[in-house]
Amino acid sequence: NAGVMQNPRHLVRRRGQEARLRCSPMKGHSHVYWYRQLPEEGLKFMVYLQKENIIDESGMPKERFSAEFPKEGPSILRIQQVVRGDSAAYFCASSPYSGTEAFFGQGTRLTVV
Amino acid sequence: QKEVEQDPGPLSVPEGAIVSLNCTYSNSAFQYFMWYRQYSRKGPELLMYTYSSGNKEDGRFTAQVDKSSKYISLFIRDSQPSDSATYLCAMSSTSGTYKYIFGTGTRLKVLA
Repeated sequence: NAGVMQNPRHLVRRRGQEARLRCSPMKGHSHVYWYRQLPEEGLKFMVYLQKENIIDESGMPKERFSAEFPKEGPSILRIQQVVRGDSAAYFCASSPYSGTEAFFGQGTRLTVV
Repeated sequence: QKEVEQDPGPLSVPEGAIVSLNCTYSNSAFQYFMWYRQYSRKGPELLMYTYSSGNKEDGRFTAQVDKSSKYISLFIRDSQPSDSATYLCAMSSTSGTYKYIFGTGTRLKVLA
């Protein structure tokens, strides 16, 4: 059973471009969580999705950031018009049900130049 | 006040020592508690998951939850240099949306 898969592992974007981060949850998991991590800091919650629904987006910046988890395919975190401050590691986690163990992917390291 | 507080360390111990890592929290609705280990530039790896209060043991790891004090602990017995990593606590509430809230992590160094 493959773990949570994130791609790309590394992404470099110029200021103003769009970044698309993908997350394929573990098989049988319908809950996906996105977190952002800055160097030497903990994981900051961004958004929690269930298939085709956004459950909690209280950690998402109001502008430029969006997330989806379609019925088919991976969850996507989209950052439009990236700025240098968006540079961070973005992690995705999945769980089979709400409140149960969550398993993380290896992350996508976004660098904005 | 942060919802979850964790001493960032670093915590340095000799090989073979018993390590105690702790988190405190303010939200009494937290019911699900997890500990993760994260190596540099890697994703967090789930170590322990507990529901409500009590102890749970898995190999060299023991997790304790004291809901009356809003305090959770992770003990590592016979620590090894390979245990050197950042340890993150996380918790989730039964009210609201069950999102996981993380501590900032404690850096542990086990010296050979």
